[in-house]
Amino acid sequence: GAVVSQHPSWVICKSGTSVKIECRSLDFQATTMFWYRQFPKQSLMLMATSNEGSKATYEQGVEKDKFLINHASLTLSTLTVTSAHPEDSSFYICSAGGAGVNEQYFGPGTRLTVT
Amino acid sequence: SQELEQSPQSLIVQEGKNLTINCTSSKTLYGLYWYKQKYGEGLIFLMMLQKGGEEKSHEKITAKLDEKKQQSSLHITASQPSHAGIYLCGAGNYGGSQGNLIFGKGTKLSVKP
Repeated sequence: GAVVSQHPSWVICKSGTSVKIECRSLDFQATTMFWYRQFPKQSLMLMATSNEGSKATYEQGVEKDKFLINHASLTLSTLTVTSAHPEDSSFYICSAGGAGVNEQYFGPGTRLTVT
Repeated sequence: SQELEQSPQSLIVQEGKNLTINCTSSKTLYGLYWYKQKYGEGLIFLMMLQKGGEEKSHEKITAKLDEKKQQSSLHITASQPSHAGIYLCGAGNYGGSQGNLIFGKGTKLSVKP
């Protein structure tokens, strides 16, 4: 089956710094990738839709200038949390679905802790 | 906006017992997905249902889709400790399968040996 990887799997950073999270589709091309966020004991909430070669579409309430998304190739999307604050600490999961794929494939997630 | 409600929120069962988890949508379902997640880890795809009345099984897990009721159920037969985790239902947000998913809040399953 299709495999999606994320890097890093966990990261601790200081408040005010920026953190980049990578999402890669390893054995298929993904024209669209999705970024979700999950707070403790809560469900996954969609943050943005990343489209290869174009600007990402952000969900209401998600700051596009804070969560920078780049989908430069069909196998890689990156999420950069800029000027991170402790309230950004969360579990970030990406998913990918390319043409002809009937189900979304999720990455293993990245746990971000901002101190 | 569409919402998915899962019940129960948590479940503790004795090993070997059967159990059912329900997922009810506030709107028409365009594809219903079931995932399993161990907290703090990624999602494991279990099954996808697209047509009303559809039923799929994988090992001891069976999922059904009742399109009219806008509901899906996940049934585990003879539960084992390996079944423990958080079960999430997700629904396509658009008419096709390429759109993003919205998720229920999850059902936490614990299986006592």
